[in-house]
Amino acid sequence: GAGVSQSPRYKVAKRGQDVALRCDPISGHVSLFWYQQALGQGPEFLTYFQNEAQLDKSGLPSDRFFAERPEGSVSTLKIQRTQQEDSAVYLCASGRVDYNEQFFGPGTRLTVL
Amino acid sequence: KQEVTQIPAALSVPEGENLVLNCSFTDSAIYNLQWFRQDPGKGLTSLLLIQSSQREQTSGRLNASLDKSSGRSTLYIAASQPGDSATYLCAVRDNYGQNFVFGPGTRLSVLP
Repeated sequence: GAGVSQSPRYKVAKRGQDVALRCDPISGHVSLFWYQQALGQGPEFLTYFQNEAQLDKSGLPSDRFFAERPEGSVSTLKIQRTQQEDSAVYLCASGRVDYNEQFFGPGTRLTVL
Repeated sequence: KQEVTQIPAALSVPEGENLVLNCSFTDSAIYNLQWFRQDPGKGLTSLLLIQSSQREQTSGRLNASLDKSSGRSTLYIAASQPGDSATYLCAVRDNYGQNFVFGPGTRLSVLP
């Protein structure tokens, strides 16, 4: 079946622009996670949804970062007034209700100039 | 706060060698541990998932062990091949949250 998909795959933004990154999880997966991966490092947790409820947003680095999953399926990560330090790969993962295993999408590489 | 480290940071071996990648975590109260592979410019591919009650998992040429009390996991790759070249990431889910905490990865190069 189809895996986790993310769009766009690449995004270049000028400093100060707003961006929106989309994640389509595997159908039926209750859990959805967003991670940020800087170059040469492991992914770092941003936020977690169970269905449409955002249960943990402790990893969001600032109030410029906002995530939503209004119908419990597709999720959008929005970054307002982008800064150069926001440049990274943003990974989305989804999982079944038992949270045991996470399945990752290909990521969106964001470059802020 | 859980912290995950991986040694070595990079490794280069000739084809056919057996090798071991190491992962350490600071808090032994883990729910499970997962090893991933990441190819350049790609997402993460799950390799092996070990539950906290398990000691090891095997898949083909891969074997992962878990010693929860000492905060360690190892990924053993037998008879390495050039196609194994990638970054290998260890991730731990602890008992306090739902997300994984990742190590920085080991960048593996297998030379033909």
